[in-house]
Amino acid sequence: GENVEQHPSTLSVQEGDSAVIKCTYSDSASNYFPWYKQELGKRPQLIIDIRSNVGEKKDQRIAVTLNKTAKHFSLHITETQPEDSAVYFCAAPLGDGGATNKLIFGTGTLLAVQP
Amino acid sequence: DAGVTQSPTHLIKTRGQHVTLRCSPISGHKSVSWYQQVLGQGPQFIFQYYEKEERGRGNFPDRFSARQFPNYSSELNVNALLLGDSALYLCASSFAAGRNQPQHFGDGTRLSIL
Repeated sequence: GENVEQHPSTLSVQEGDSAVIKCTYSDSASNYFPWYKQELGKRPQLIIDIRSNVGEKKDQRIAVTLNKTAKHFSLHITETQPEDSAVYFCAAPLGDGGATNKLIFGTGTLLAVQP
Repeated sequence: DAGVTQSPTHLIKTRGQHVTLRCSPISGHKSVSWYQQVLGQGPQFIFQYYEKEERGRGNFPDRFSARQFPNYSSELNVNALLLGDSALYLCASSFAAGRNQPQHFGDGTRLSIL
């Protein structure tokens, strides 16, 4: 069925350390993988995305890697800062045979960056 | 440029009432999708509209309906409200309808059912 698994559910790191969040998806036809950051009481904000024709994409301190064979993708944040503290969601377009842009979201990772 | 705008920001209703939520997409975006986010969970897909046509529907009862207008804005309607409908309702817009289109969310409408 349609499923996106996300780990870990909580992650606490020291400022300056790296953080890695991993997701696994079920639909081998999925070809687009966004990551959203949601601060408390605010909207999910698209921070980076990757399409299936590349294996890695980087934007300053954040990067996403994709392994299509294993059907998993990961978010990497380097040199973490307190303002990186938020809930991070991975997502994938699953099902519908591509008829819609329906995203299935992971369960979220609460990242806490300790100063 | 303005992002996705939603109104109202907060709403309190009682069981059995109905509600209409509104969304204006980013200028130039023709696709609008609605999601429900319950506290502590990720958003769940409700509807997608593209060029005024329904493109997809999630696993929600018929009490939920939506439409899109010629200017690409959209309304989500929920009838016979239940306590379990309390959630943050998010609207996301994208330029086109395809599954690899980046979606950008509005700030949402927080609906509380008493």
